[in-house]
Amino acid sequence: KAGVTQTPRYLIKTRGQQVTLSCSPISGHRSVSWYQQTPGQGLQFLFEYFSETQRNKGNFPGRFSGRQFSNSRSEMNVSTLELGDSALYLCASSLGTGAQETQYFGPGTRLLVL
Amino acid sequence: AQSVTQPDIHITVSEGASLELRCNYSYGATPYLFWYVQSPGQGLQLLLKYFSGDTLVQGIKGFEAEFKRSQSSFNLRKPSVHWSDAAEYFCAVAPYSSASKIIFGSGTRLSIRP
Repeated sequence: KAGVTQTPRYLIKTRGQQVTLSCSPISGHRSVSWYQQTPGQGLQFLFEYFSETQRNKGNFPGRFSGRQFSNSRSEMNVSTLELGDSALYLCASSLGTGAQETQYFGPGTRLLVL
Repeated sequence: AQSVTQPDIHITVSEGASLELRCNYSYGATPYLFWYVQSPGQGLQLLLKYFSGDTLVQGIKGFEAEFKRSQSSFNLRKPSVHWSDAAEYFCAVAPYSSASKIIFGSGTRLSIRP
């Protein structure tokens, strides 16, 4: 069974631009979560989608948004990029949403904002 | 407030030596506890998790962890490390209701001395 895939793997943008990252979960998984990883703040939860509905949201500004499609694929969008948005963005999928569900992480998309 | 503390930023051990990575948590109820590993350029992989029951949990790759409620700790151990264990290790806590609301520690980088 294929793992979680994220595209693109690397991305360079400039301040003020917007970016869209994509995540394809493991087949059959309906929950997709997004995380931001930076050296300063560590791993932080962005949001979670389940069956096309946002279930949970972390403490990030409205510039960060996401959506999930009927095939469970998910995208996250960051508008008006800032230098501080440079990070590794990780996507994870699971069958359901409870903590007993194992989350499987993708390799991440590394975003550099210049 | 919920939090996870990994007091050791970087640990170096010799190949074949035993390993213990420390993790302390602060959580109002009985937590769901996790250990993840992240190799360079990779996403996170779940090593083991604790929900309830036996406080000694066995994981993949020969790792185990012990939940000690009285000490609010969930330390990770391995009797004999291999060079391939060099990576960053994250302890995490989550509420029962949501795997995605997971809170990660700051991580411990493990180096292996030949």
